[in-house]
Amino acid sequence: SQELEQSPQSLIVQEGKNLTINCTSSKTLYGLYWYKQKYGEGLIFLMMLQKGGEEKSHEKITAKLDEKKQQSSLHITASQPSHAGIYLCGAVLDLGGGADGLTFGKGTHLIIQP
Amino acid sequence: EAQVTQNPRYLITVTGKKLTVTCSQNMNHEYMSWYRQDPGLGLRQIYYSMNVEVTDKGDVPEGYKVSRKEKRNFPLILESPSPNQTSLYFCASSFTTGSNEQFFGPGTRLTVL
Repeated sequence: SQELEQSPQSLIVQEGKNLTINCTSSKTLYGLYWYKQKYGEGLIFLMMLQKGGEEKSHEKITAKLDEKKQQSSLHITASQPSHAGIYLCGAVLDLGGGADGLTFGKGTHLIIQP
Repeated sequence: EAQVTQNPRYLITVTGKKLTVTCSQNMNHEYMSWYRQDPGLGLRQIYYSMNVEVTDKGDVPEGYKVSRKEKRNFPLILESPSPNQTSLYFCASSFTTGSNEQFFGPGTRLTVL
């Protein structure tokens, strides 16, 4: 099973509309990262959330961390074509040994329609 | 400019022909990592390195080797590539452990015929 579930998997939104992407963990979260990826390119760091209830904003993108629900949401206000891409959440999870570093969700493909 | 570089960016090869994908960072980061990204599977960690001469397996290490002889370089080696290693590969680095913000390279798209 996937430790980090992102929803929706894909999203088509009309330009100017708001949208929300969710990332839910099946294991205890120790920190959560949001990245954006343009198709076939590298990942661009957006935000890092470490404490429950923490909320951060960057331009029109806001992310929150709900530690109790082990969930984070990414909200884009008044979407623009430049927001299109793949949004990935990555988290530090207690996996009981094995890989260090971030575990990633499968990503949310965001398309902005003019 | 602080960055992670990968070479080559694109590679088409044949089964069994050894290849190396290089990764270099100029930020004096201790931690470096390799991921592969596949449709429907997301990003999965292959190998990581906490410091020079220290490497460990990630989630999907089979068929890959790495080395960390210098702090800045972390090459990914495929001794005998197979078609199931066709993927998009990313190198990443961060100051200390993988729990810190990781800086990603631009990716290497590998096709194994």
